[in-house]
Amino acid sequence: EAGVVQSPRYKIIEKKQPVAFWCNPISGHNTLYWYLQNLGQGPELLIRYENEEAVDDSQLPKDRFSAERLKGVDSTLKIQPAELGDSAVYLCASSLVVSGMYQETQYFGPGTRLLVL
Amino acid sequence: DQQVKQNSPSLSVQEGRISILNCDYTNSMFDYFLWYKKYPAEGPTFLISISSIKDKNEDGRFTVFLNKSAKHLSLHIVPSQPGDSAVYFCAASASGNNRKLIWGLGTSLAVNP
Repeated sequence: EAGVVQSPRYKIIEKKQPVAFWCNPISGHNTLYWYLQNLGQGPELLIRYENEEAVDDSQLPKDRFSAERLKGVDSTLKIQPAELGDSAVYLCASSLVVSGMYQETQYFGPGTRLLVL
Repeated sequence: DQQVKQNSPSLSVQEGRISILNCDYTNSMFDYFLWYKKYPAEGPTFLISISSIKDKNEDGRFTVFLNKSAKHLSLHIVPSQPGDSAVYFCAASASGNNRKLIWGLGTSLAVNP
């Protein structure tokens, strides 16, 4: 079974430029997450989707970050304009949440390493 | 305030010996705990989990122990292998918190041949 796929793996851009990341979750997984991870830190949740609905975007900096999950499968995360402090690894994860099940395991993609110059 | 704490930033063990990675938490509402392993330039890989209704879960060389009264869990790797060298993250979630995962800062394990 294929895992979570992310592209690109690496991206170098100049500040103030836009950038977009793409994620394809594990087939059949209805929940998708975008995380940000800085060196020496654990992942920090940016947004969580259940199917097409963003159920938790409280940590997403909405002035420059946006995300979408059309048709409840693939997702894109966009930053416009990028700032120096956005340099980090952006992780996508997916899980299968079944009604009444309150424990779930998230499976991660390889991440996109962003460097803003 | 760090709700999930991994107080050892690094750990070094000899191949074949036991590796013990520790994790403490402060939120008594956490009811599901997970360990992830992360290699450089890769995303975290799920290792093993445990529900709060259990005190032990075993999967091959990996065993997780949960002590709810002490709010402490540990991951045991026996025997340790050089390929186990990675950063290990402890994470926890509460069913009443939209199942949001709260992460520790990780422990870097080095298994020496």
